[in-house]
Amino acid sequence: NAGVTQTPKFQVLKTGQSMTLQCAQDMNHNSMYWYRQDPGMGLRLIYYSASEGTTDKGEVPNGYNVSRLNKREFSLRLESAAPSQTSVYFCASSEWTRHQETQYFGPGTRLLVL
Amino acid sequence: DAKTTQPNSMESNEEEPVHLPCNHSTISGTDYIHWYRQLPSQGPEYVIHGLTSNVNNRMASLAIAEDRKSSTLILHRATLRDAAVYYCIPLDNAGNMLTFGGGTRLMVKP
Repeated sequence: NAGVTQTPKFQVLKTGQSMTLQCAQDMNHNSMYWYRQDPGMGLRLIYYSASEGTTDKGEVPNGYNVSRLNKREFSLRLESAAPSQTSVYFCASSEWTRHQETQYFGPGTRLLVL
Repeated sequence: DAKTTQPNSMESNEEEPVHLPCNHSTISGTDYIHWYRQLPSQGPEYVIHGLTSNVNNRMASLAIAEDRKSSTLILHRATLRDAAVYYCIPLDNAGNMLTFGGGTRLMVKP
């Protein structure tokens, strides 16, 4: 199993450009998540998808859109990138273990917006 | 959501046990206590979780105070690979939203 994979690993954008961050998991998990992590900070939830066909806003959704393409894939789109979106983006999927949800994270995408 | 307090950083020597504390005095009766860690330049990884009883797995042990207002993650023999930021996260049974605070940066000296 590859677990949770993310592409690209690194990206540099100019202000106003758009891009899509891709995430896929091969663990047959229902729920998937997108987080951002700014330098020296904890992770903040952007959007999540509890199951295929559903998406919901997290703590910091402004400036982002998501698509749950199928059970495996959950993409994050920046329509018009801003320097404030410079961050490391992590995708995660989850399963239930002993009555609790355990999340598995991808390696991250490092995004720099100039 | 329950608030947590963790030391900003801790140091340990390699091969020695490490006790990472977490205060969560506002935890509700149904909140589980989860621990995740984040190795440098990687995504977080699940370590362990528990409700009331102490818990053990291959990575660590979790000791939960009888009043549940605090818990301690125990690494029995720290290795250099255990150098990471450790997050203590109370999580209720109904929700699935992890809220990451500042965590404790563990440094392991050879």
